[in-house]
Amino acid sequence: DGGITQSPKYLFRKEGQNVTLSCEQNLNHDAMYWYRQDPGQGLRLIYYSQIVNDFQKGDIAEGYSVSREKKESFPLTVTSAQKNPTAFYLCASIAFLVGGWTGYTQYFGPGTRLTVL
Amino acid sequence: AQTVTQSQPEMSVQEAETVTLSCTYDTSESDYYLFWYKQPPSRQMILVIRQEAYKQQNATENRFSVNFQKAAKSFSLKISDSQLGDAAMYFCAYRSGRGSQGNLIFGKGTKLSVKP
Repeated sequence: DGGITQSPKYLFRKEGQNVTLSCEQNLNHDAMYWYRQDPGQGLRLIYYSQIVNDFQKGDIAEGYSVSREKKESFPLTVTSAQKNPTAFYLCASIAFLVGGWTGYTQYFGPGTRLTVL
Repeated sequence: AQTVTQSQPEMSVQEAETVTLSCTYDTSESDYYLFWYKQPPSRQMILVIRQEAYKQQNATENRFSVNFQKAAKSFSLKISDSQLGDAAMYFCAYRSGRGSQGNLIFGKGTKLSVKP
């Protein structure tokens, strides 16, 4: 089945550790996005990438890093510089270069819950 | 910058009744898209309905419909014949039109409860 997968579902991090969240899609989508969700805050954009080997900062990129070495993969690293990383992280993708609604609609993965111990 | 406001943090509806969730947005653009996403307890974001700004006709998807008032910058979601499975967080989202980066701007959400 085509879709977006995120792993792990739950992740625990100790203070000072870097952790990497995985996001993979087999939809042949061009663009991929990372959002952070906090209670009462909606979703906020961390990073996005429209093509391989290129990505841009979103509204809250500080303390995070990404890579896009393959079209289907867009991992997010939460670094020790992120002071309050406990949150729910959602990955999304879009067939950006396709016309019609397929090219305008983001589809989401199931999310990763990150907790700092 | 564009903003999206959902003024109702929580709403409640009786099963089989109709409920309307509010969303307003602020933009100076004329070309954009609007979305409603549902997030059930599983936290999976599910697309409910979408609307192109240049279309005057309101979008409908089965029991879900929108009231899109472009001049008022309002995009409310109406759920008819509410079902227990409709209980979830609902997020309104805005996306700039063609040539944009495709980013979504979300409201803070409305938590919908459905009473049996």
